[in-house]
Amino acid sequence: DVQITQAPSSLSASVGDRVTITCRASQNINNYLNWYQQKPGKAPRLLMFGATSLESGVPSRFSGSGSGTDFTLIISSLQPEDFATYYCQQSFSSMITFGQGTRLDI
Amino acid sequence: QVQLEQSGAEVKKPGASVKISCKASGYTFTSYDISWVRQATGQGLEWMGWMHPDNDNAGYAQDFQGRITMTRNTSINTAYLELSGLTPEDTAVYYCARTPPFCGGDCYFSPWGQGTRVTVSS
Repeated sequence: DVQITQAPSSLSASVGDRVTITCRASQNINNYLNWYQQKPGKAPRLLMFGATSLESGVPSRFSGSGSGTDFTLIISSLQPEDFATYYCQQSFSSMITFGQGTRLDI
Repeated sequence: QVQLEQSGAEVKKPGASVKISCKASGYTFTSYDISWVRQATGQGLEWMGWMHPDNDNAGYAQDFQGRITMTRNTSINTAYLELSGLTPEDTAVYYCARTPPFCGGDCYFSPWGQGTRVTVSS
């Protein structure tokens, strides 16, 4: 199975900050990397697919980059509603796996 | 709009089975796969498998092989997850999610159902 290592596991930031979350795959996964946001008690929400494509309705302050093994989710200017847990997910392998999550706190 | 509505919470004893439903609306049910993902309390997301409603093909994660079944009823646009041989370690929230058909790599989940809490306890 493709292993995904997500970092950091938690992060404290303030409104207006620029935040970077990374995921590293154990092998080349091309651009088959997706990002989700999850708020407490809610289902995850797709933010980015194909590493760099923004899901419809997601604010443009979210962006993604990377290919191969190293990927990044950037929030350019944190808003109060962005405090949540973020997960990456690979679909290169038929056995889909998620990163461990990054909890973003104030 | 596209929505997935899941069945209510379940409490089961160890060794029992659970069957959760996921009713789709707002799109052509047979045109997209349905995947299932679970999340234990305070833990991360674990993919369980996918199903293609058009032909009932399914693929399961290795960790669940032998005790998981995904089915569907196309007349009521509903997908089902059945998990047998429950243990307390299966206590989690179970989510269904729409997935591009035959995604072969570009497999992402959107939208998600609201989740179904399954508690396994003696």
